[in-house]
Amino acid sequence: LAKTTQPISMDSYEGQEVNITCSHNNIATNDYITWYQQFPSQGPRFIIQGYKTKVTNEVASLFIPADRKSSTLSLPRVSLSDTAVYYCLVGDGGAGSYQLTFGKGTKLSVIP
Amino acid sequence: NAGVMQNPRHLVRRRGQEARLRCSPMKGHSHVYWYRQLPEEGLKFMVYLQKENIIDESGMPKERFSAEFPKEGPSILRIQQVVRGDSAAYFCASSPRTGGDNEQFFGPGTRLTVL
Repeated sequence: LAKTTQPISMDSYEGQEVNITCSHNNIATNDYITWYQQFPSQGPRFIIQGYKTKVTNEVASLFIPADRKSSTLSLPRVSLSDTAVYYCLVGDGGAGSYQLTFGKGTKLSVIP
Repeated sequence: NAGVMQNPRHLVRRRGQEARLRCSPMKGHSHVYWYRQLPEEGLKFMVYLQKENIIDESGMPKERFSAEFPKEGPSILRIQQVVRGDSAAYFCASSPRTGGDNEQFFGPGTRLTVL
């Protein structure tokens, strides 16, 4: 499984756009990039998944450059309720891919 | 459609006792996964089950831990003779199928405290 590296923590003011970058230099051809969000005392929640270029949903956007060695989760106009830990995961769809590998994630603190 | 349900939400046990954690997957999901999260750490995979079958238990400690997903009823993670190091949050997730492009839906977790 590809190893991921992301900042331990980030602070942002309400209303700002937040970009969290994840490095995955050893990503394999079949790997997808998935981001999960975890609030305190809750289980992780799927945010977005992509393979290449850009993916956007109602919650976030995911930017993946052509070499796919990194990805950036973009949260538009964050609010206090976006304070959470964000995890970047990389894995393929093959055997064993159900073993989601969570690192320590990025702890985002949104400040009023 | 109710999400993944776990109970109890909090469980306190003394060293040497048994802990039983329950997980009811989302309706229509036949794949269940258990993860453990230590304080300030990410989740670590423990076991993957389908109805009446353990598919992969490579993340389970060799002793004292067991899991089942019977034909009827919730999935159970059982920890015998608990020790202080077992204190953690245990999360269950479910999915309609397996695969890396498939989202896993997590429950709220059971926080086990061993005194």
